[in-house]
Amino acid sequence: NAGVTQTPKFQVLKTGQSMTLQCAQDMNHEYMSWYRQDPGMGLRLIHYSVGAGITDQGEVPNGYNVSRSTTEDFPLRLLSAAPSQTSVYFCASSRTGGAGELFFGEGSRLTVL
Amino acid sequence: ILNVEQSPQSLHVQEGDSTNFTCSFPSSNFYALHWYRWETAKSPEALFVMTLNGDEKKKGRISATLNTKEGYSYLYIKGSQPEDSATYLCAFRWSGANNLFFGTGTRLTVIP
Repeated sequence: NAGVTQTPKFQVLKTGQSMTLQCAQDMNHEYMSWYRQDPGMGLRLIHYSVGAGITDQGEVPNGYNVSRSTTEDFPLRLLSAAPSQTSVYFCASSRTGGAGELFFGEGSRLTVL
Repeated sequence: ILNVEQSPQSLHVQEGDSTNFTCSFPSSNFYALHWYRWETAKSPEALFVMTLNGDEKKKGRISATLNTKEGYSYLYIKGSQPEDSATYLCAFRWSGANNLFFGTGTRLTVIP
């Protein structure tokens, strides 16, 4: 059972470049989310989705876009990367929004030069 | 943004010692409290999801309690082993949101 799959695991970008972090889950979870992890800070929510076609902003949404065209996939787009977006990104899914446990992907380490 | 605080920030214990950490969260509009274990170079994995005041949950040598009225949860580890070394995260959901707010974690090191 693959669970939550994130790609790529590592990426280096130049300021102003764009990229997409991919996230897919095979557990038929309705809820999917993206977090970023920075030193000394807790996991901070970027965007989330409670089902296909529905997305909403989290705590730190600026500079990121998401879409949810299928239940399985929830890509995170950086339209114009900035050094402040250097971070480790985690995709997570759950059966329900907050009562069900989150299943995390392995993380994607992004460096913006 | 809701404030979820964990203490201590880090902890070193000897193998065989028992230990506990605290998670503090807003006591109003409680919905759920989660505990996750995060080993280095891996992803966080759920330990417990707690929803009722007074809840106590146990998984092997790890247990957790919940007090929603005063806004805290304790995580206990009995007879710590080196493989318990990890960062332990708590996360809070209030009734007005679909999301979890994470604390910064307690980093546990068990010395053999």
